[in-house]
Amino acid sequence: DVKVTQSSRYLVKRTGEKVFLECVQDMDHENMFWYRQDPGLGLRLIYFSYDVKMKEKGDIPEGYSVSREKKERFSLILESASTNQTSMYLCASTRDRGWTNTEAFFGQGTRLTVV
Amino acid sequence: QKEVEQNSGPLSVPEGAIASLNCTYSDRGSQSFFWYRQYSGKSPELIMFIYSNGDKEDGRFTAQLNKASQYVSLLIRDSQPSDSATYLCAVNDYGGSQGNLIFGKGTKLSVKP
Repeated sequence: DVKVTQSSRYLVKRTGEKVFLECVQDMDHENMFWYRQDPGLGLRLIYFSYDVKMKEKGDIPEGYSVSREKKERFSLILESASTNQTSMYLCASTRDRGWTNTEAFFGQGTRLTVV
Repeated sequence: QKEVEQNSGPLSVPEGAIASLNCTYSDRGSQSFFWYRQYSGKSPELIMFIYSNGDKEDGRFTAQLNKASQYVSLLIRDSQPSDSATYLCAVNDYGGSQGNLIFGKGTKLSVKP
């Protein structure tokens, strides 16, 4: 079974702090993604990566950065946390199989609260 | 802007009934279609995928795809209270970023005992 693991289930951080969310997958997937999910807004893509050291902006990259130094690990960084970044953060991975078979496997999610 | 549209619900059905969840997508080139189930406070889990026109059955679940109408649906037979969740429709981002999926906002299903 594919396993995607996020480092924290719940986090509480203060405004202005630098926050690191870590995600590790154990199935050698090429593609990794960070989403945030808010009520009524669905899943919104923040950043994704299709290879080590490669990254692409998603729909809402402002206030975030990412790092992928190893294939299995994809980190989301909130440079200076703000209250509007309070959300559920979901990491996902997919195997690169072209335009089909791109089923995504999700981590358990990190509920981040910025106070 | 590629879009995946779902009725947000809530869709309420009695236990034992058939629940029908619908999804339309804007990109005619999309080739892969997925249904995820998400319980409150949990992450999405894949329950069905379909690539070809027609029906695909897996236990109590049937996915239906009509590419000409750009429409995909999920039928849940003999609905159970444990099926109460939000169901997300997703399609591959054809022509965009390989390996990326575009998600709908989800339909909340409530199965009443």
